[in-house]
Amino acid sequence: KNQVEQSPQSLIILEGKNCTLQCNYTVSPFSNLRWYKQDTGRGPVSLTIMTFSENTKSNGRYTATLDADTKQSSLHITASQLSDSASYICVVTGMDSSYKLIFGSGTRLLVRP
Amino acid sequence: ETGVTQTPRHLVMGMTNKKSLKCEQHLGHNAMYWYKQSAKKPLELMFVYNFKEQTENNSVPSRFSPECPNSSHLFLHLHTLQPEDSALYLCASSQDWSYQETQYFGPGTRLLVL
Repeated sequence: KNQVEQSPQSLIILEGKNCTLQCNYTVSPFSNLRWYKQDTGRGPVSLTIMTFSENTKSNGRYTATLDADTKQSSLHITASQLSDSASYICVVTGMDSSYKLIFGSGTRLLVRP
Repeated sequence: ETGVTQTPRHLVMGMTNKKSLKCEQHLGHNAMYWYKQSAKKPLELMFVYNFKEQTENNSVPSRFSPECPNSSHLFLHLHTLQPEDSALYLCASSQDWSYQETQYFGPGTRLLVL
């Protein structure tokens, strides 16, 4: 069964600290993996997208990594800011008979001053 | 802003009411999507429209009825809903109906069914 599991479910860190969010998936065959940021009361916004041949992608203070062999991805946030408080959603595109998006449940991050 | 707007932002309705959610995209995209987001659950894809034609219906109950009059507008008509239908309903669009394309989401409509 195609699944995307994210950990931790929630995380609290102090402003200025780094953190890493995890995404494990069982989707196969695999096309690409995206990380989205969803602020409270808003829709998700794409942060990064990686295909199976890419193992790292950066967007400012956000760096995503991908290990297609172990089917793991991580999102590293550097020097966190209060505005980083949001839910982070991992989305995997599977290539079966047609493309399918499989969403993780998200990690809820709270950055405290 | 992402270029995708949704109205209303909040909606409270009884189980016997009929209401509609509206989505409009200003990005010139050809594909539009409805998603349901319940607390602590992954987003659930409900419907996909490509060039105004419905291309996916993920076993959504008939009390949800989508309408896509043109590539820029998408509606979700609601009638005789259940309390478990309370959720955030998100609209998204992408250049084409390919899950290779990045989807741009609206802010959502927070629905409460009493």
